[in-house]
Amino acid sequence: GQNIDQPTEMTATEGAIVQINCTYQTSGFNGLFWYQQHAGEAPTFLSYNVLDGLEEKGRFSSFLSRSKGYSYLLLKELQMKDSASYLCAVMDSNYQLIWGAGTKLIIKP
Amino acid sequence: ETGVTQTPRHLVMGMTNKKSLKCEQHLGHNAMYWYKQSAKKPLELMFVYNFKEQTENNSVPSRFSPECPNSSHLFLHLHTLQPEDSALYLCASSQWDRGLTGANVLTFGAGSRLTVL
Repeated sequence: GQNIDQPTEMTATEGAIVQINCTYQTSGFNGLFWYQQHAGEAPTFLSYNVLDGLEEKGRFSSFLSRSKGYSYLLLKELQMKDSASYLCAVMDSNYQLIWGAGTKLIIKP
Repeated sequence: ETGVTQTPRHLVMGMTNKKSLKCEQHLGHNAMYWYKQSAKKPLELMFVYNFKEQTENNSVPSRFSPECPNSSHLFLHLHTLQPEDSALYLCASSQWDRGLTGANVLTFGAGSRLTVL
């Protein structure tokens, strides 16, 4: 079966760096997406990776290793507003999005 | 209005009621989706409409009935629901292009929180 694994919850300190991991086993691969979802709000798109390597976008970076079935989202200079759930999703060979259960990130002062 | 709007934001219904969720997108996208989000579970795709035609129905019980009258509007009709159907129902849209998978970014609405008593 197809599966996406990511930690259920993580805690980090304001101003620090946190890495949220995502591992996947899917039928084919057409890209990996990260979304951010604040409590009670809509998920919003953060990043897309289809080739191996690091994509940087301001304080957020996303890394992909297709051979390892692994990605991470790196958040730098954490701010209180980064407290949210982070959703990892992989598009499989049938162009279906397979979702992880999300990682709830708690930022402490 | 911009983006994807969903109404109502909150809905409480009995098991014998009939209600509908509404979604509207103002982005000119060609695909619309219904997802179910339950606590600590992955998003579950329920229905997809591409160019107004339903292309996916992931074994969703018949008590959920979608309707897509045009490319901007999507409804989810609910009847004789069960308590386990209580969840957040998210609508999303995208500009679907098989050749540009990275462009298939979903824009979500804020969701309709459904409670079935």
